[in-house]
Amino acid sequence: AQSVTQLGSHVSVSEGALVLLRCNYSSSVPPYLFWYVQYPNQGLQLLLKYTSAATLVKGINGFEAEFKKSETSFHLTKPSAHMSDAAEYFCAVSDLTVGGKLIFGQGTELSVKP
Amino acid sequence: DGGITQSPKYLFRKEGQNVTLSCEQNLNHDAMYWYRQDPGQGLRLIYYSQIVNDFQKGDIAEGYSVSREKKESFPLTVTSAQKNPTAFYLCASTRSWTNKETQYFGPGTRLLVL
Repeated sequence: AQSVTQLGSHVSVSEGALVLLRCNYSSSVPPYLFWYVQYPNQGLQLLLKYTSAATLVKGINGFEAEFKKSETSFHLTKPSAHMSDAAEYFCAVSDLTVGGKLIFGQGTELSVKP
Repeated sequence: DGGITQSPKYLFRKEGQNVTLSCEQNLNHDAMYWYRQDPGQGLRLIYYSQIVNDFQKGDIAEGYSVSREKKESFPLTVTSAQKNPTAFYLCASTRSWTNKETQYFGPGTRLLVL
Protein backbone atom coordinates (compact mmCIF):
# COMPACT_ATOMS: atom_id res chain seq x y z
CA ALA A 1 0.00 0.00 0.00
CA GLN A 2 1.14 3.52 -0.70
CA SER A 3 1.78 6.01 2.05
CA VAL A 4 3.33 9.38 2.75
CA THR A 5 5.27 10.47 5.81
CA GLN A 6 6.06 14.09 6.56
CA LEU A 7 8.86 14.47 9.08
CA GLY A 8 8.12 17.21 11.58
CA SER A 9 4.64 18.50 12.28
CA HIS A 10 6.04 21.97 12.99
CA VAL A 11 9.00 23.72 11.39
CA SER A 12 10.15 27.21 12.34
CA VAL A 13 12.58 29.30 10.31
CA SER A 14 13.74 32.90 10.32
CA GLU A 15 12.80 35.21 7.51
CA GLY A 16 15.39 34.87 4.76
CA ALA A 17 16.51 31.41 5.87
CA LEU A 18 16.28 28.19 3.90
CA VAL A 19 12.99 26.32 4.08
CA LEU A 20 13.20 22.52 4.04
CA LEU A 21 10.08 20.42 4.50
CA ARG A 22 10.59 16.67 4.38
CA CYS A 23 8.41 14.09 2.67
CA ASN A 24 9.06 10.38 2.24
CA TYR A 25 6.78 8.09 0.31
CA SER A 26 6.17 4.40 0.01
CA SER A 27 5.16 3.00 -3.35
CA SER A 28 5.84 -0.21 -5.24
CA VAL A 29 5.76 1.58 -8.57
CA PRO A 30 6.96 5.02 -9.69
CA PRO A 31 4.65 7.46 -7.96
CA TYR A 32 3.03 10.74 -8.83
CA LEU A 33 3.77 13.21 -6.03
CA PHE A 34 2.28 16.53 -5.05
CA TRP A 35 2.90 19.38 -2.62
CA TYR A 36 -0.02 21.55 -1.52
CA VAL A 37 -0.16 24.63 0.71
CA GLN A 38 -3.04 25.60 3.00
CA TYR A 39 -3.49 29.00 4.62
CA PRO A 40 -5.68 29.21 7.73
CA ASN A 41 -9.33 28.37 7.13
CA GLN A 42 -8.82 28.00 3.40
CA GLY A 43 -8.67 25.20 0.87
CA LEU A 44 -5.51 23.65 -0.51
CA GLN A 45 -3.54 25.12 -3.36
CA LEU A 46 -1.12 23.17 -5.54
CA LEU A 47 2.52 24.21 -5.19
CA LEU A 48 4.04 21.65 -7.56
CA LYS A 49 3.79 18.07 -8.77
CA TYR A 50 6.06 15.32 -10.02
CA THR A 51 4.77 13.12 -12.82
CA SER A 52 7.93 11.24 -13.89
CA ALA A 53 9.46 13.94 -16.05
CA ALA A 54 12.30 16.06 -14.59
CA THR A 55 13.32 15.04 -11.08
CA LEU A 56 13.73 18.67 -9.98
CA VAL A 57 10.32 20.28 -10.05
CA LYS A 58 9.79 24.00 -9.78
CA GLY A 59 6.58 25.38 -8.41
CA ILE A 60 4.90 28.60 -7.47
CA ASN A 61 6.16 31.18 -4.96
CA GLY A 62 9.80 30.12 -5.39
CA PHE A 63 9.35 26.57 -4.09
CA GLU A 64 10.92 23.51 -5.63
CA ALA A 65 11.17 19.82 -4.83
CA GLU A 66 13.50 17.05 -5.89
CA PHE A 67 12.36 13.50 -6.50
CA LYS A 68 14.97 11.03 -5.21
CA LYS A 69 14.01 7.47 -5.97
CA SER A 70 16.93 5.96 -4.02
CA GLU A 71 15.83 7.79 -0.90
CA THR A 72 12.06 7.57 -1.62
CA SER A 73 11.92 11.28 -0.86
CA PHE A 74 10.31 14.38 -2.30
CA HIS A 75 11.47 17.21 -0.02
CA LEU A 76 10.22 20.75 -0.54
CA THR A 77 12.67 23.65 -0.43
CA LYS A 78 12.78 27.40 -0.79
CA PRO A 79 16.08 29.31 -0.61
CA SER A 80 14.77 32.29 1.35
CA ALA A 81 11.67 32.24 3.56
CA HIS A 82 9.19 35.08 3.51
CA MET A 83 6.65 35.90 6.17
CA SER A 84 3.88 35.09 3.70
CA ASP A 85 5.15 31.48 3.50
CA ALA A 86 3.73 30.74 6.96
CA ALA A 87 1.09 28.07 6.32
CA GLU A 88 0.51 24.33 6.48
CA TYR A 89 2.08 22.17 3.79
CA PHE A 90 0.89 18.78 2.66
CA CYS A 91 2.71 16.15 0.65
CA ALA A 92 0.55 13.67 -1.26
CA VAL A 93 0.92 10.63 -3.51
CA SER A 94 -1.54 9.37 -6.10
CA ASP A 95 -3.36 6.24 -5.02
CA LEU A 96 -2.77 3.95 -7.98
CA THR A 97 -5.70 1.71 -7.05
CA VAL A 98 -8.26 4.52 -7.27
CA GLY A 99 -7.94 6.92 -10.17
CA GLY A 100 -7.55 10.52 -9.08
CA LYS A 101 -7.42 9.79 -5.36
CA LEU A 102 -4.62 11.31 -3.31
CA ILE A 103 -3.08 9.94 -0.12
CA PHE A 104 -1.98 12.82 2.08
CA GLY A 105 0.69 13.14 4.70
CA GLN A 106 -0.26 14.61 8.06
CA GLY A 107 1.00 18.05 7.19
CA THR A 108 3.80 20.33 8.36
CA GLU A 109 3.07 23.72 9.81
CA LEU A 110 5.67 26.28 8.80
CA SER A 111 6.27 29.31 11.00
CA VAL A 112 8.43 32.21 9.82
CA LYS A 113 10.04 34.45 12.43
CA PRO A 114 10.89 38.06 11.62
CA ASP B 1 -13.28 32.66 -13.22
CA GLY B 2 -13.59 28.90 -12.93
CA GLY B 3 -13.41 27.29 -9.55
CA ILE B 4 -15.07 25.38 -6.75
CA THR B 5 -17.50 26.95 -4.33
CA GLN B 6 -18.54 25.51 -1.01
CA SER B 7 -21.34 26.73 1.18
CA PRO B 8 -21.91 27.61 3.86
CA LYS B 9 -18.55 28.67 5.25
CA TYR B 10 -19.69 27.73 8.78
CA LEU B 11 -22.42 25.26 9.67
CA PHE B 12 -23.87 24.38 13.04
CA ARG B 13 -25.51 21.05 13.70
CA LYS B 14 -27.77 20.08 16.55
CA GLU B 15 -27.85 16.58 18.01
CA GLY B 16 -29.78 14.16 15.81
CA GLN B 17 -29.89 16.54 12.87
CA ASN B 18 -28.82 15.84 9.29
CA VAL B 19 -27.02 18.68 7.52
CA THR B 20 -25.97 19.10 3.91
CA LEU B 21 -22.81 20.75 2.66
CA SER B 22 -22.84 22.17 -0.84
CA CYS B 23 -20.06 21.80 -3.41
CA GLU B 24 -20.32 23.27 -6.90
CA GLN B 25 -17.68 23.45 -9.64
CA ASN B 26 -17.69 25.23 -12.98
CA LEU B 27 -14.45 23.68 -14.23
CA ASN B 28 -16.23 21.00 -16.26
CA HIS B 29 -14.36 18.39 -14.23
CA ASP B 30 -15.50 14.79 -14.30
CA ALA B 31 -14.37 13.69 -10.84
CA MET B 32 -15.20 15.15 -7.44
CA TYR B 33 -14.09 14.31 -3.90
CA TRP B 34 -14.99 15.04 -0.29
CA TYR B 35 -12.35 15.15 2.44
CA ARG B 36 -12.52 15.60 6.15
CA GLN B 37 -9.70 17.47 7.89
CA ASP B 38 -8.96 17.17 11.60
CA PRO B 39 -5.98 18.81 13.31
CA GLY B 40 -2.83 16.72 12.97
CA GLN B 41 -4.50 14.07 10.80
CA GLY B 42 -4.12 15.39 7.31
CA LEU B 43 -7.01 14.88 4.90
CA ARG B 44 -9.12 11.74 4.88
CA LEU B 45 -11.32 10.78 1.94
CA ILE B 46 -15.04 10.43 2.66
CA TYR B 47 -16.59 9.83 -0.78
CA TYR B 48 -15.60 10.30 -4.38
CA SER B 49 -17.36 10.36 -7.72
CA GLN B 50 -15.60 9.70 -10.99
CA ILE B 51 -18.60 10.39 -13.24
CA VAL B 52 -22.15 11.63 -12.94
CA ASN B 53 -24.61 9.25 -11.25
CA ASP B 54 -21.83 7.20 -9.76
CA PHE B 55 -19.97 7.51 -6.45
CA GLN B 56 -17.84 5.35 -4.19
CA LYS B 57 -17.06 5.20 -0.48
CA GLY B 58 -13.72 6.48 0.64
CA ASP B 59 -11.82 5.65 3.79
CA ILE B 60 -14.26 7.12 6.32
CA ALA B 61 -17.75 7.00 4.71
CA GLU B 62 -19.72 5.88 7.77
CA GLY B 63 -22.23 8.52 8.84
CA TYR B 64 -22.07 10.39 5.52
CA SER B 65 -23.99 10.25 2.25
CA VAL B 66 -23.61 11.91 -1.16
CA SER B 67 -25.32 12.28 -4.52
CA ARG B 68 -24.04 13.17 -7.98
CA GLU B 69 -27.03 14.00 -10.13
CA LYS B 70 -25.28 16.79 -12.03
CA LYS B 71 -21.71 17.03 -13.21
CA GLU B 72 -21.11 20.31 -11.43
CA SER B 73 -22.61 19.41 -8.05
CA PHE B 74 -21.59 16.93 -5.33
CA PRO B 75 -23.41 17.63 -2.04
CA LEU B 76 -22.40 15.87 1.17
CA THR B 77 -24.91 15.04 3.89
CA VAL B 78 -23.65 14.53 7.41
CA THR B 79 -26.20 12.28 9.06
CA SER B 80 -27.07 11.84 12.71
CA ALA B 81 -25.14 8.57 12.60
CA GLN B 82 -21.89 10.53 12.42
CA LYS B 83 -21.14 10.92 16.12
CA ASN B 84 -18.15 13.19 15.83
CA PRO B 85 -18.85 15.52 12.90
CA THR B 86 -16.90 18.55 14.08
CA ALA B 87 -14.25 19.10 11.40
CA PHE B 88 -13.25 21.12 8.35
CA TYR B 89 -14.72 19.67 5.16
CA LEU B 90 -13.05 20.14 1.81
CA CYS B 91 -14.42 19.43 -1.63
CA ALA B 92 -12.10 18.88 -4.60
CA SER B 93 -12.32 18.04 -8.28
CA THR B 94 -10.11 16.74 -11.06
CA ARG B 95 -10.49 17.02 -14.81
CA SER B 96 -10.55 13.25 -15.11
CA TRP B 97 -9.88 10.33 -12.83
CA THR B 98 -6.39 9.48 -14.05
CA ASN B 99 -3.51 9.51 -11.59
CA LYS B 100 -1.58 12.52 -12.89
CA GLU B 101 -4.43 14.94 -12.45
CA THR B 102 -4.19 17.89 -10.09
CA GLN B 103 -6.91 18.15 -7.49
CA TYR B 104 -8.46 21.59 -7.18
CA PHE B 105 -9.94 22.45 -3.82
CA GLY B 106 -12.80 24.59 -2.63
CA PRO B 107 -12.48 26.98 0.34
CA GLY B 108 -14.00 24.53 2.82
CA THR B 109 -16.90 24.36 5.27
CA ARG B 110 -16.33 24.23 9.01
CA LEU B 111 -18.95 22.13 10.78
CA LEU B 112 -19.56 22.64 14.47
CA VAL B 113 -21.88 20.83 16.83
CA LEU B 114 -24.16 22.80 19.14
